[in-house]
Amino acid sequence: QLQLQESGPGLVKPSETLSLTCTVSGGSISSSSYYWGWIRQPPGKGLEWIGSIYYSGRTYYNPSLKSRVTISVDTSKNQFSLKLSSVTAADTAVFYCARHMLYQLLPNWFDPWGQGTLVTVSS
Amino acid sequence: SYELTQALSVSVALGQTARITCGGNKIGSKSVHWYQQKPGQAPVLVIYRDSNRPSGIPERFSGSNSGDTATLTITRAQVGDEADYYCQVWDSNTVFGGGAKLTVL
Repeated sequence: QLQLQESGPGLVKPSETLSLTCTVSGGSISSSSYYWGWIRQPPGKGLEWIGSIYYSGRTYYNPSLKSRVTISVDTSKNQFSLKLSSVTAADTAVFYCARHMLYQLLPNWFDPWGQGTLVTVSS
Repeated sequence: SYELTQALSVSVALGQTARITCGGNKIGSKSVHWYQQKPGQAPVLVIYRDSNRPSGIPERFSGSNSGDTATLTITRAQVGDEADYYCQVWDSNTVFGGGAKLTVL
């Protein structure tokens, strides 16, 4: 059964770079059938897609975050990572990683999701 | 950019049918996916590609999509169905609806 686990610092200072890693177990990140995505959820608010990556390194990013986001993949470790630069308090959120299913050659639905990790931006 | 509109809250009597809608311009031409999120938990996929149920999701959950509205229908609503429900599509990038809170009375 595929499982995803987010890891990284729970506290980041304003203006610094938030870095998270998602470790995939129970399956290969190098499958041609999936992308791998990051989604965030500010406390008490809705879901916001950040971006997704294919095992080859091809990426899709949310246009509203694109200038600050870098997603990378390490197939040897079965992991993919998120970097979000120049963070502010507005970036405080629970960050989820998830498998992003391909349909008609495009990433479509997310399943399964990791449990999520809360990242707080504060000095 | 593409937008999805969901009512903030939906109420349903115990055992009755709940309908949660997701509005978007010509959404009927897109594949819509639905997630259930209970407090303190990660979202769970309940419907993909408009009307398909993943394994383990009860048959009480169904979906439809036509015109400018997609609908998630939950029959015989239970207290355990209380959650936030999000719709999602791909339109050059991934878009989520704002979420609807389902209350079972």
